[in-house]
Amino acid sequence: AQKVTQAQTEISVVEKEDVTLDCVYETRDTTYYLFWYKQPPSGELVFLIRRNSFDEQNEISGRYSWNFQKSTSSFNFTITASQVVDSAVYFCALSEGETSGSRLTFGEGTQLTVNP
Amino acid sequence: EPEVTQTPSHQVTQMGQEVILRCVPISNHLYFYWYRQILGQKVEFLVSFYNNEISEKSEIFDDQFSVERPDGSNFTLKIRSTKLEDSAMYFCASSPYRQEKEAFFGQGTRLTVV
Repeated sequence: AQKVTQAQTEISVVEKEDVTLDCVYETRDTTYYLFWYKQPPSGELVFLIRRNSFDEQNEISGRYSWNFQKSTSSFNFTITASQVVDSAVYFCALSEGETSGSRLTFGEGTQLTVNP
Repeated sequence: EPEVTQTPSHQVTQMGQEVILRCVPISNHLYFYWYRQILGQKVEFLVSFYNNEISEKSEIFDDQFSVERPDGSNFTLKIRSTKLEDSAMYFCASSPYRQEKEAFFGQGTRLTVV
């Protein structure tokens, strides 16, 4: 069975600090996809990134970067020079299998608060 | 940019009443989903729908729930007899048939059962 663990329930930082959100996953499939979603106070789910299990390259997008390590089953998310607008709940999610239509299993989420 | 739209944004209903949550997925997508998020908790999968039938459902999706795609654009979730514990945010999502499997979520419908 697939499982996603986000051990950090809440993180509070001061603006301009770097912050890393941890995500550890469990799956028996060799093919799977990992995702990060942002949920701002308004409640919608905003897609941030998708990674498939065969691509361990780290990715950087502006102030966001992701570190995927299959050896430790982790897919961590770093925000560099955090801003108040980054305050949100961040969810890591996993989908097994090669094709579309598989469920997303979400972690519990990490509430990030960036203080001015 | 195309998006998934959900109506209503907020619905209040009395316990025991039936509710229908509506979604318009992105037009060229083939897979449709409903997820639920009880306040302060994680997002949970309810059901996926493909080719006019349920492709997968979770243990949460019991007999009081049903889904339907009544026409070419709408995708609905019906809760037959609402209970207090059905109060949650309900998200609709859709994805195209492609390897990347990116799921696009609607803005959610907040259901409050009183």
